[in-house]
Amino acid sequence: DSGVTQTPKHLITATGQRVTLRCSPRSGDLSVYWYQQSLDQGLQFLIQYYNGEERAKGNILERFSAQQFPDLHSELNLSSLELGDSALYFCASSVAGTGGMYEQFFGPGTRLTVL
Amino acid sequence: GQQVMQIPQYQHVQEGEDFTTYCNSSTTLSNIQWYKQRPGGHPVFLIQLVKSGEVKKQKRLTFQFGEAKKNSSLHITATQTTDVGTYFCAGLGWAAGNKLTFGGGTRVLVKP
Repeated sequence: DSGVTQTPKHLITATGQRVTLRCSPRSGDLSVYWYQQSLDQGLQFLIQYYNGEERAKGNILERFSAQQFPDLHSELNLSSLELGDSALYFCASSVAGTGGMYEQFFGPGTRLTVL
Repeated sequence: GQQVMQIPQYQHVQEGEDFTTYCNSSTTLSNIQWYKQRPGGHPVFLIQLVKSGEVKKQKRLTFQFGEAKKNSSLHITATQTTDVGTYFCAGLGWAAGNKLTFGGGTRVLVKP
């Protein structure tokens, strides 16, 4: 158990819909990262927040947005969903703001299926 | 932009044999991390390398950072069924800004 929690575990929805994925980082960690992992693929970095502010942006689509709240939990919003958005979405957290300087602790992931 | 590539994409290993997986970056890295993802699981941090030429060992796993800090390798000796999973390297380089770039991973399958 990494200490990072993600809800829901599974999500099935239809094309065109909007969903929200939630992540709670490990106690004491200020950074939250979102990754997308398609079937048998690597990890695509989407976005990072540090202490409530956006710190780094990866290949995140304009239909996707995220935020980090004062209690440090984060939400990833995916809208106008397409079949290709079906993937495993991981949240990770680390203690500091520089993405690659400290180990990242990954949550169990949310499996999104778009029908 | 910065790209991190891993080879091979798949590695079939006989139990008890050794193998090596390689990670190559298109740009110089500040540091590199390795993660392991078991089937159906989430990535778990294994190690971080920072210095040029650094070598670190964890039991049967040996990690190396190249002298030019553009490549890394993971060598596993006497492979066991518990080594099954996907091994990812991830590099931090200023060319990619303040973010870690993951390689595509090496998926390891062990034949008993």
